[in-house]
Amino acid sequence: KAGVTQTPRYLIKTRGQQVTLSCSPISGHRSVSWYQQTPGQGLQFLFEYFSETQRNKGNFPGRFSGRQFSNSRSEMNVSTLELGDSALYLCASSFVGGDSLQFFGPGTRLTVL
Amino acid sequence: AQSVTQLDSQVPVFEEAPVELRCNYSSSVSVYLFWYVQYPNQGLQLLLKYLSGSTLVKGINGFEAEFNKSQTSFHLRKPSVHISDTAEYFCAVSSNAGGTSYGKLTFGQGTILTVHP
Repeated sequence: KAGVTQTPRYLIKTRGQQVTLSCSPISGHRSVSWYQQTPGQGLQFLFEYFSETQRNKGNFPGRFSGRQFSNSRSEMNVSTLELGDSALYLCASSFVGGDSLQFFGPGTRLTVL
Repeated sequence: AQSVTQLDSQVPVFEEAPVELRCNYSSSVSVYLFWYVQYPNQGLQLLLKYLSGSTLVKGINGFEAEFNKSQTSFHLRKPSVHISDTAEYFCAVSSNAGGTSYGKLTFGQGTILTVHP
């Protein structure tokens, strides 16, 4: 089975712009979670989607949003980018969610100038 | 709410020496425990997991960990490390309590393991 894929791998944006990141889960997995990784804050949970519904959300401002499509692919969007949004964004998929094992993609490295 | 504390931010060790990376957690509900490894410019790879049953769990690449409920710890060990084990290691917890637990892993701050020749 192919693993979790994320596109693009690298992005450079300027402050005020918006960005969309994409995640394709492992075939058959219906849950997708997103995380932000920064040197200062470490790995922080953004949100989780299951069957096109957001089931859980972390403590991030409303500028961070996401969605999931019927094929379980997910996108996350960050609007009005700030310098502090520079991070590695990781997506993870699991078969059911909850206690199921999460398998991570390689991440998208976002740099905001 | 859950929290994870990795007690060492950096652990240097010589090749073929044993190593222990320490992890303590706090939670008001039953948890599942994980160790992940991250190599430079890559995502997270699952090393091992504790879901239930035997408290000693074995993972990939010769790593093992022991779940200690009374001490709320889940330390990672390897009897003999290799240069290729140099990476950052993350301890994580999740629960099946539903609600705010759905799809959420809570991570420690990470431990950078550096193996010297």
